Amino acid sequence: SQTIHQWPATLVQPVGSPLSLECTVEGTSNPNLYWYRQAAGRGLQLLFYSVGIGQISSEVPQNLSASRPQDRQFILSSKKLLLSDSGFYLCAWSVTANTEQYFGPGTRLTVT
Amino acid sequence: DQQVKQNSPSLSVQEGRISILNCDYTNSMFDYFLWYKKYPAEGPTFLISISSIKDKNEDGRFTVFLNKSAKHLSLHIVPSQPGDSAVYFCAASWPTGNQFYFGTGTSLTVIP
Repeated sequence: SQTIHQWPATLVQPVGSPLSLECTVEGTSNPNLYWYRQAAGRGLQLLFYSVGIGQISSEVPQNLSASRPQDRQFILSSKKLLLSDSGFYLCAWSVTANTEQYFGPGTRLTVT
Repeated sequence: DQQVKQNSPSLSVQEGRISILNCDYTNSMFDYFLWYKKYPAEGPTFLISISSIKDKNEDGRFTVFLNKSAKHLSLHIVPSQPGDSAVYFCAASWPTGNQFYFGTGTSLTVIP
């Protein structure tokens, strides 16, 4: 069966520090991968999606970036965090676009 | 611009009664819809889907209804159980799209 992992589960970082969140998927090949953010009291905002290694599409201009160095690995990064980057970050995968997405457990990021 | 809207941020229902969660969308190109359930500090869990070729899809206690002319879908939970207490998100996509658009969520509380 397929499994999606995210780490760390929680993270407290000062403003201006770098960020690296990692997501890996097991049990499937060539998945579509997604990074979402849920800010407090808000819905799910799609940040990035990837249909293959090295292929990243950005949905929202921001100081975050994403990379997909391996088929089942998706990384969310920032060089300098802002207070507004605080939120709950979710990674998800799907077999193809327009099919159900399956989410990881999420990372709670607090920027202080 | 929020293309998928959940206008009720919260809903309380007595155990055993029906819970009805509503979702409206603005883009007539959307043809596939999902409902997710999310507990605090966890990733969303896929519940049920419906394609625009149908107007109803049922899975156990969960039924989703789609009214294309009104651009409206709803999730019915019968009977409601305390374990159903969570935030519910609806999501929509169109045939050639690469993503789902999520609503802002409705927090359901089932009172024992």
